[in-house]
Amino acid sequence: NAGVTQTPKFRVLKTGQSMTLLCAQDMNHEYMYWYRQDPGMGLRLIHYSVGEGTTAKGEVPDGYNVSRLKKQNFLLGLESAAPSQTSVYFCASSFRTDYNSPLHFGNGTRLTVT
Amino acid sequence: LAKTTQPISMDSYEGQEVNITCSHNNIATNDYITWYQQFPSQGPRFIIQGYKTKVTNEVASLFIPADRKSSTLSLPRVSLSDTAVYYCLGGKLIFGQGTELSVKP
Repeated sequence: NAGVTQTPKFRVLKTGQSMTLLCAQDMNHEYMYWYRQDPGMGLRLIHYSVGEGTTAKGEVPDGYNVSRLKKQNFLLGLESAAPSQTSVYFCASSFRTDYNSPLHFGNGTRLTVT
Repeated sequence: LAKTTQPISMDSYEGQEVNITCSHNNIATNDYITWYQQFPSQGPRFIIQGYKTKVTNEVASLFIPADRKSSTLSLPRVSLSDTAVYYCLGGKLIFGQGTELSVKP
């Protein structure tokens, strides 16, 4: 039981390049989330999904797109990377269909945009 | 989406009890209060969750007053390995800046 797995762990992009971050969970959780973490800012919610085929915007959705084609996977895409998107990205999942269910986090993807 | 307010940092010594208070003035009636711990280069990890009064597990205690506008995470007899950032969530999915706890020998 791996929990929440994020790939890749590290990535360096040039401005304007695109990439997709993959999150996979093996706990059969309904809800999945993408956060970014920057120094002094805590974790900020980018997008989330309440089930397969659904997505919704969080606090800071601009510049990102997401897809949840399979229940166990949640993809975060950057179509045209900008230096402001340099951050550590965390994926999380939760079981119950309410927001009080504890979140299970992956160990993050460190992205640098030059 | 309601945000929480916590002290930015706290210092303690090994063996002491540490109390971290969080303010969540806009918490909704059906929202729980949840605390997470984060070590460097790792994702946050669930510690404890409660709705009202007191909750205790093998790691910590959580005290929530009747008005539920704040909560206090209590860590008994901290050790160096408790040095981490602690976040509280007053329901929903919005994290605050967290409290950086430094435990010294």
